[in-house]
This record gives sequence, structure tokens and C-alpha cells, in this order.
Amino acid sequence: EIVLTQSPGTLSLSPGERATLSCRASQSVRNNYLAWYQQKPGQAPKILISAASRRATGIPDRFSGSGSGTDFTLTISRLEPEDVAVYYCHQYESLPPTFGQGTKVEIK
Amino acid sequence: EVHLVESGGGLVQPGGSLRLSCVVSGFSLSDYWMHWVRQAPGKGLAWVSRVSSDGTNIIYAESVKGRFTISRDNAKNALYLEMSNMRVDDTAVYYCARDREQGWIDPWGQGTLVTVSS
Repeated sequence: EIVLTQSPGTLSLSPGERATLSCRASQSVRNNYLAWYQQKPGQAPKILISAASRRATGIPDRFSGSGSGTDFTLTISRLEPEDVAVYYCHQYESLPPTFGQGTKVEIK
Repeated sequence: EVHLVESGGGLVQPGGSLRLSCVVSGFSLSDYWMHWVRQAPGKGLAWVSRVSSDGTNIIYAESVKGRFTISRDNAKNALYLEMSNMRVDDTAVYYCARDREQGWIDPWGQGTLVTVSS
């Protein structure tokens, strides 16, 4: 199974700053079948990005995804207070599907 | 609008059984593969099982294989997860979720809490 390792564990930034979240896979994720989800406190996860860089419908353009192979990145260009959440990466290229352990984004 | 509503969670003793249901609306269940994903208290997401649109292609996480059974009734727009021989580490919020294209997940239900404890 593909193991996804996210870093950092927690990111604490000021509003307006750039957030860079990393997701590293234990083996290559072919076809860039890598998604990112946002989970706010007390809520279900919500899709942000699929296929490594395709923003989901209704997601603000301050969220962007990039990467290929084993290294993927979610970038929030200008952090807003409502972006406080845990962010998970998810590979769906090989079975079983797996998730990273999450990165918590906080506002200073 | 698309909705997924889980039910059936609760308190069960170790070794016991529970059946979760997920009723969907706003789309035809028969058109989509579906997943169950769980989240232990304070922990991350863990994929549990996936079923094809016609119910013939099913896979499970190793941790639940032989104990959990996923099924669906497309006529009732319902997805199920039958859990047996449950363990304390099965304690989690269980989400049903719709599969999209090659396997990303959207949307998710609100979840139902399952607690396994004596």
C-alpha cells in the first residue's frame, strides 16, 4: 500500500500569509491520482483538489495543488481565518486508497 | 442538491454487531461507486470499503476484512455497512461518501458515531 506522509503536522500563520502543505508518497502515484480535502472542526471532509491540481467546483482560487510522482503540494496563497482546518491528501491510484495523517492549519 | 445521511451508529460491546445505513438524495445511487471511510476520535481519515455501482466489485481495508460487509440497494438509494465481531479500535465516526471519476471522493455524509466499549 502507498503510505502518504504529510508535513508539517501543524502550520501556524498570520492572515494573508502563504501556506505550503506537503504530501509525500512512499511510491509513485501514477496519473497524479492525488486529492486534497479540507476538514473544519466538527464537519465532514470536503474536496478541494483532485488529480493533483484540479480545483473542485466552488473552491476559491487561493487554493492550488501541484506536484507529481511522489511529491505533492497544496498551497493557500493568502490565508484567511475561515481556512482554519485540517487538510488531508488522498491517493486513489492504487488499492487500497490511502490518506495522509493530516496537516492542521492555525491562525496566529 | 446532493445529500448523504448516515444512521445506525451507537454503543456496542466488543464482539457485537451493528448495521450502518446511508440514504442518498439528489442523485441516482445506481450511477456511482460508493465508499465508507472512518475517523477515530481525534485521529485522521481511514478508508474502510468501496462498492461498485452494481454491487459486484467490493474491496475492504485489511483491518476490517472478514468482519465488515458493504452492500447497497439502489432501488432504495441506500448504502449499508454490516459490522460484526467488533473491536474497541473500530470506535470512530463512519462516513459514507460518493466516488468520483477515478476514485476521489465527493461529497461526504455528516457521519455517524460508533462506539465499541464494554
